[in-house]
Amino acid sequence: DVKVTQSSRYLVKRTGEKVFLECVQDMDHENMFWYRQDPGLGLRLIYFSYDVKMKEKGDIPEGYSVSREKKERFSLILESASTNQTSMYLCASSPRGQGVNEQFFGPGTRLTVL
Amino acid sequence: EDQVTQSPEALRLQEGESSSLNCSYTVSGLRGLFWYRQDPGKGPEFLFTLYSAGEEKEKERLKATLTKKESFLHITAPKPEDSATYLCAVQAPNTDKLIFGTGTRLQVFP
Repeated sequence: DVKVTQSSRYLVKRTGEKVFLECVQDMDHENMFWYRQDPGLGLRLIYFSYDVKMKEKGDIPEGYSVSREKKERFSLILESASTNQTSMYLCASSPRGQGVNEQFFGPGTRLTVL
Repeated sequence: EDQVTQSPEALRLQEGESSSLNCSYTVSGLRGLFWYRQDPGKGPEFLFTLYSAGEEKEKERLKATLTKKESFLHITAPKPEDSATYLCAVQAPNTDKLIFGTGTRLQVFP
């Protein structure tokens, strides 16, 4: 079974802090994704990585950056956390370019910025 | 613009009362349509992939169908443990990214 793990289930940070969210997958998938999920807005893509050190902006990249130094690990960085970044953050992975690619999700990190 | 719309936003059913959830999509050249289940406070769990119009997939009390414009998730004789949010997503050509709908929150009461 595909397993995607995220470093924290719940996180509370202060405004202005630098925040790191880590995601690890064990299925050797090329693609990894970071989403945020807010009530009424659904899942919105923040960043996408299709290979080590490769990244592509999603729909809402402002205020975020990412790092992918190893194939299995994809980090989301909030450079200076703000209250409007309070949300559920979801990481996902999928194979690359083999036709139809379902994504497999981690358990999510509920981030609260005070 | 590629888009996914799910209806209804919320659905309350009595245990055993069958119903359907709708996912309408506009995308040129659909590569695949996905259904996920999400429990509160957890990540989405993959249920089905549908590839072409006319295809059907079943899992326990759930059956997913696909036409050229929409997909239905039929729930037969639901139980309280089927309560969750059900998400639909589509994959367009030349991309590995998915476009998600906002989901249908299903509550099944005993």
